Amino acid sequence: DAGVTQSPTHLIKTRGQQVTLRCSPKSGHDTVSWYQQALGQGPQFIFQYYEEEERQRGNFPDRFSGHQFPNYSSELNVNALLLGDSALYLCASSFGGGSGSAFFGQGTRLTVV
Amino acid sequence: AQSVTQLDSHVSVSEGTPVLLRCNYSSSYSPSLFWYVQHPNKGLQLLLKYTSAATLVKGINGFEAEFKKSETSFHLTKPSAHMSDAAEYFCVVSDKRTGANNLFFGTGTRLTIIP
Repeated sequence: DAGVTQSPTHLIKTRGQQVTLRCSPKSGHDTVSWYQQALGQGPQFIFQYYEEEERQRGNFPDRFSGHQFPNYSSELNVNALLLGDSALYLCASSFGGGSGSAFFGQGTRLTVV
Repeated sequence: AQSVTQLDSHVSVSEGTPVLLRCNYSSSYSPSLFWYVQHPNKGLQLLLKYTSAATLVKGINGFEAEFKKSETSFHLTKPSAHMSDAAEYFCVVSDKRTGANNLFFGTGTRLTIIP
């Protein structure tokens, strides 16, 4: 049983560019949440997708957007990248719109230069 | 609003001695509390969770935590540390109002095990 998978594992982008990160949830899960973990910090909640809609959102600007597909996989898009967007981006999946325990992927390390 | 405070950024213990990682929480509603562990270059792994059942929660790898409402604490303990326990540990809170997946993480405690 594959767990939560994220791609790519590492990414280097230039300031001002746009990036798309991808997440496939654990088998049987229908809810995906995204987190940003800056170096030396705890993860911070970006948003959650359930039934292909954004259900909850943390304190992140509109440059951060997402999408959930019918197969429950999800994308995180970040526009107009800033140096401060450099971080580990984590995807977590669960079942039932957030009622179950969250399982995390290994993350995508984004570096903005 | 909900938040967690991890009282120690770094804890060092000798192999075979007890581990105590401290966490205090703040929540406006009935909280769910979690401890996650993050090994280098690996994803976050759930150690244990409290969701208003028994106040003493047993997790994986011999860890346990006790929910103390009067002290707003949820400290993580293990009787005997093993070298493989060296990692970053996060105390996490969510509440029923915002949903179990809207998790608020502490800043983490780095656990070092001395041989």
